Amino acid sequence: SQTIHQWPATLVQPVGSPLSLECTVEGTSNPNLYWYRQAAGRGLQLLFYSVGIGQISSEVPQNLSASRPQDRQFILSSKKLLLSDSGFYLCAWSRASGRAWDNEQFFGPGTRLTVL
Amino acid sequence: AQSVTQLGSHVSVSEGALVLLRCNYSSSVPPYLFWYVQYPNQGLQLLLKYTSAATLVKGINGFEAEFKKSETSFHLTKPSAHMSDAAEYFCAVSFYNQGGKLIFGQGTELSVKP
Repeated sequence: SQTIHQWPATLVQPVGSPLSLECTVEGTSNPNLYWYRQAAGRGLQLLFYSVGIGQISSEVPQNLSASRPQDRQFILSSKKLLLSDSGFYLCAWSRASGRAWDNEQFFGPGTRLTVL
Repeated sequence: AQSVTQLGSHVSVSEGALVLLRCNYSSSVPPYLFWYVQYPNQGLQLLLKYTSAATLVKGINGFEAEFKKSETSFHLTKPSAHMSDAAEYFCAVSFYNQGGKLIFGQGTELSVKP
C-alpha cells in the first residue's frame, strides 16, 4: 500500500529564517507530487506540482521554491520566511498513469508553520 | 475562467438532520468533480468523485453527490448527520486539459449539534 509522510508536523520559525519541509511517498513510483498551502479560512492554494524528477511547475509567485531530488521526494524551501508564509502546508500525490485528471490525490498529514 | 465556489463557509445542523453542502463550478470544458473531507489538523481524505459516469455518486460515510450539468452544481448530501461528520469539506474540480491539477473551493465547515 502507498503512504505519504511529511515532516516536521509543526514548526515555529522567526521571520527571515530559512525553511525546508519534506514530503516522501512510499509504495508507488513516478507519482505526480503537489504542495498546497492552507491559510485560515482561505481554502487550499496549489503552490507547486511536479510530474517527474527535477520537473517543477510553480502556480503562484512567492518567496517559496520546490525541488524533487528523487522520484518520491518533494521538498518545499524558502531562503527567508515572511509572516505571510504562516499556514498549514499539505503535500499530495496522485498516479501519473491513465487519466491524470480524474485520479484521486492522496494527502499527507500536513505541517503547521507559524512564522513569528 | 475555471473555478469552483462553495456557498456557505459554515453550516450547522442537528444530529440526525439532513446535511447539504453546496458546490458550483464554472468551466467551458467538462469537469471532473471531487469532494474531500478534512478533520482538524489532518490532511484531506477523498469522500467521492464524479468522472463522467453516473451523475449520482455515492461515497464513504453515507455521503453522496449529484452532478447537475444544467445547474453547474455538485452538491454533497447525507440523509442523517452524525456527530463524527463535523469537519471541513472541500469541493474540487479538475479538467482533462490540465493534467492532474485540482482547483479547490474555499471549504465549508460543518458543525453537528447534539
